[in-house]
Amino acid sequence: EAQVTQNPRYLITVTGKKLTVTCSQNMNHEYMSWYRQDPGLGLRQIYYSMNVEVTDKGDVPEGYKVSRKEKRNFPLILESPSPNQTSLYFCASSFPTGGRQPQHFGDGTRLSIL
Amino acid sequence: SQQGEEDPQALSIQEGENATMNCSYKTSINNLQWYRQNSGRGLVHLILIRSNEREKHSGRLRVTLDTSKKSSSLLITASRAADTASYFCATDVMNRDDKIIFGKGTRLHILP
Repeated sequence: EAQVTQNPRYLITVTGKKLTVTCSQNMNHEYMSWYRQDPGLGLRQIYYSMNVEVTDKGDVPEGYKVSRKEKRNFPLILESPSPNQTSLYFCASSFPTGGRQPQHFGDGTRLSIL
Repeated sequence: SQQGEEDPQALSIQEGENATMNCSYKTSINNLQWYRQNSGRGLVHLILIRSNEREKHSGRLRVTLDTSKKSSSLLITASRAADTASYFCATDVMNRDDKIIFGKGTRLHILP
């Protein structure tokens, strides 16, 4: 089954404790992206990747890191999480480009930073 | 940056009625997409319409695109309880293969 898998689905943690949210897709998609969703603000893009070893900043990249060492995986790293990063996060993938093909979304990761 | 803006922000209708949501955007596009999000879940792609198309259908969904007005509408006919969700439009950016911009969404509630 074609899918985008995020882990964990829920996480409560404390300020400053490094965390990683994993994202994996099994569709051989080149394009992958991370979004955060906050009430009243819609989806905002954090980082995206056009292919392996190619990443770029989205609209709200501050406080986040990503890597794309393999085509299927695109982890989101919060080196020193802060309460303003409490949000619902989505990973998405598409073939071949970001804006011109349907995006396939994971089920989301709800992060609470205390 | 927000490109697409949906209107209305929220909509409640009776089951069986038609629901219409609108999306306006600011810059030239190659295509526009509509997505549905059930509460707390990931977005699901509904339909993509290209800039040279004016109307597209998929089951009970009808999407129109007016590039001169930079607007699109999503019509759901004969609504059902299962259509209760948030609906988002998303646009690409001309000459930018990497960019997709989502609006803030319309919350649709179908009343029994």
